[in-house]
Amino acid sequence: EEKLVESGGNLVQPGGSLRLSCAASGIIFIDYWMSWVRQAPGKGLEWVANIKQDGSGKYYVDSVKGRFIISRDNAEKSLFLQMNSLKVEDTAVYYCVRVRNRGGVFDLWGQGTMVIVSS
Amino acid sequence: DIQMTQSPSSLSASVGDRVTITCQASQDIGYYLNWYQQKPGKAPKLLIYDASTLEIGVPSRFSGSGSGTDFTLTISSLQPEDIATYYCQQYDNLPRTFGQGAKLEIK
Repeated sequence: EEKLVESGGNLVQPGGSLRLSCAASGIIFIDYWMSWVRQAPGKGLEWVANIKQDGSGKYYVDSVKGRFIISRDNAEKSLFLQMNSLKVEDTAVYYCVRVRNRGGVFDLWGQGTMVIVSS
Repeated sequence: DIQMTQSPSSLSASVGDRVTITCQASQDIGYYLNWYQQKPGKAPKLLIYDASTLEIGVPSRFSGSGSGTDFTLTISSLQPEDIATYYCQQYDNLPRTFGQGAKLEIK
């Protein structure tokens, strides 16, 4: 079974840091771009970041540039999101997503992990 | 950034009805348009990619059409399990952007 399982979500104070992880199973991880997509409570979907198969290309939405870092470990079939200088507006469910078609079609989603930024 | 605008934002229909949701892009995106279904408390699920290609395993009552700036998702005969919020998403340019969603309810 193809599966993505996120972990690492938590309550953190503004200005703090958090590292999200995503473990992939049942997929050829190295064949795919990977992404993080988030959803604030009661709101729509927002793409956060993409990373190419070999990690050589990383792309971010403007609102997280310079604060978030996407990375991957292909040997461990894992995706990461290092989140620094967190803001209240970063509060959301963060989904790990497999991507195909030049990084544009989000075809397999994890169950999500909740990040709450609050004092 | 490319803005994606869906209409309506919410709609109510009866079982068996034909349902149509539209998505308009702020600039030409060719056919680089996907549709997702999100049921309450669940992760989104890919329904249609490249504007009109049905993802494997998705019921044939779902269909997509359009190109350029105007796109449509159609459910030919609404079923109770189709209650969800539907999102369009473009991948012609970065950042990837989604529509605001269309919440579908049963009458």
